[in-house]
Amino acid sequence: AQSVAQPEDQVNVAEGNPLTVKCTYSVSGNPYLFWYVQYPNRGLQFLLKYITGDNLVKGSYGFEAEFNKSQTSFHLKKPSALVSDSALYFCAVRDLGGSYIPTFGRGTSLIVHP
Amino acid sequence: SQTIHQWPATLVQPVGSPLSLECTVEGTSNPNLYWYRQAAGRGLQLLFYSVGIGQISSEVPQNLSASRPQDRQFILSSKKLLLSDSGFYLCAWRGRLTEAFFGQGTRLTVV
Repeated sequence: AQSVAQPEDQVNVAEGNPLTVKCTYSVSGNPYLFWYVQYPNRGLQFLLKYITGDNLVKGSYGFEAEFNKSQTSFHLKKPSALVSDSALYFCAVRDLGGSYIPTFGRGTSLIVHP
Repeated sequence: SQTIHQWPATLVQPVGSPLSLECTVEGTSNPNLYWYRQAAGRGLQLLFYSVGIGQISSEVPQNLSASRPQDRQFILSSKKLLLSDSGFYLCAWRGRLTEAFFGQGTRLTVV
């Protein structure tokens, strides 16, 4: 079985400050981990993924995420937030040895204040 | 490059009317295809997925059905819509070892 948790419904940050959106996961095998962003009334856009290799993954729009196996976490980060980063963010996991289906978290609403 | 097309973008349908939402993928073959519903702008509910032509798995029993008549075509249907079918419907595809890519979504309002 696989699952993913995003413990924060909403994250508020001031423009220019660093941001973190949290994600923890559970899989029986090795994980594929993903972050997506969704703007209002649009589909999800892929940001970045961890498959194997370096624990720090860099993605689109200056976002990065750190894979931590011991803490089973994959937090999304950005050094300096922009107002335009305000959106809904989804973490997803898929068990490398198992499911065809990625499991998505409930989403975290990121609000960046000017 | 691969692209995914989903239409229409918005749809208003009366209760009891039929539904057909179409999704097509270009630039890849034998993709895994998915239909999700997103309620209230938050979590994604997987409705159907398909690993090949004519192969449909249903995750949630409901008023909807799906079909895959061609390798890169995935259709979501209903014979009679209910008010509770309103929502934001997302189609997605995934290659064998890659992330999923989503269409732009269809906002369905049943009135």
